[in-house]
Amino acid sequence: AQSVTQPDIHITVSEGASLELRCNYSYGATPYLFWYVQSPGQGLQLLLKYFSGDTLVQGIKGFEAEFKRSQSSFNLRKPSVHWSDAAEYFCAVGKPNTGTASKLTFGTGTRLQVTL
Amino acid sequence: DGGITQSPKYLFRKEGQNVTLSCEQNLNHDAMYWYRQDPGQGLRLIYYSQIVNDFQKGDIAEGYSVSREKKESFPLTVTSAQKNPTAFYLCASSPSRSYNEQFFGPGTRLTVL
Repeated sequence: AQSVTQPDIHITVSEGASLELRCNYSYGATPYLFWYVQSPGQGLQLLLKYFSGDTLVQGIKGFEAEFKRSQSSFNLRKPSVHWSDAAEYFCAVGKPNTGTASKLTFGTGTRLQVTL
Repeated sequence: DGGITQSPKYLFRKEGQNVTLSCEQNLNHDAMYWYRQDPGQGLRLIYYSQIVNDFQKGDIAEGYSVSREKKESFPLTVTSAQKNPTAFYLCASSPSRSYNEQFFGPGTRLTVL
């Protein structure tokens, strides 16, 4: 079964600083990979996704992520963080189509705090 | 606007009562999902449905039930058999069973007193 690890429970960065959130997955083949963001008390919004092709993926709100097969990682980055980026971030893994339902496995999340 | 609606936003129930959470989507998506979210545990899949009148158990289905009588609706019932029902519940949908991207509703916070 696939699994997702987000090793950082809580990260604090200063506004304007760069950000990297870590995500490692365990799966026998190349999975579908996602990053979602959640503001307090809200649903999840998709930031970006990787299915195949270029391993550097651009998303919304200035975020990007890089798929590294050798490290089984899909880390999320942003060059300059804004105060509005404070939220919880979830990495998720999905199996490529096997004819069954689209089931995602989520990491436990990383809470980002931004100081002014 | 297309999207997923969940109602109510907050729900309070007494212990031992069944409660039904609503989820409606107008995205014309085939698949729908219910997740439970607890602090520090991420999202855990309760039930999912690929098509009308069909649904499967997820990882934590005990104490929950669902129905899928219409494509746009996927209500979740939290029964009295659920030992710890207080949580944040999220509904999601995806375009087809073969496509993994999921879209989420705003969630319902259930508190059992």
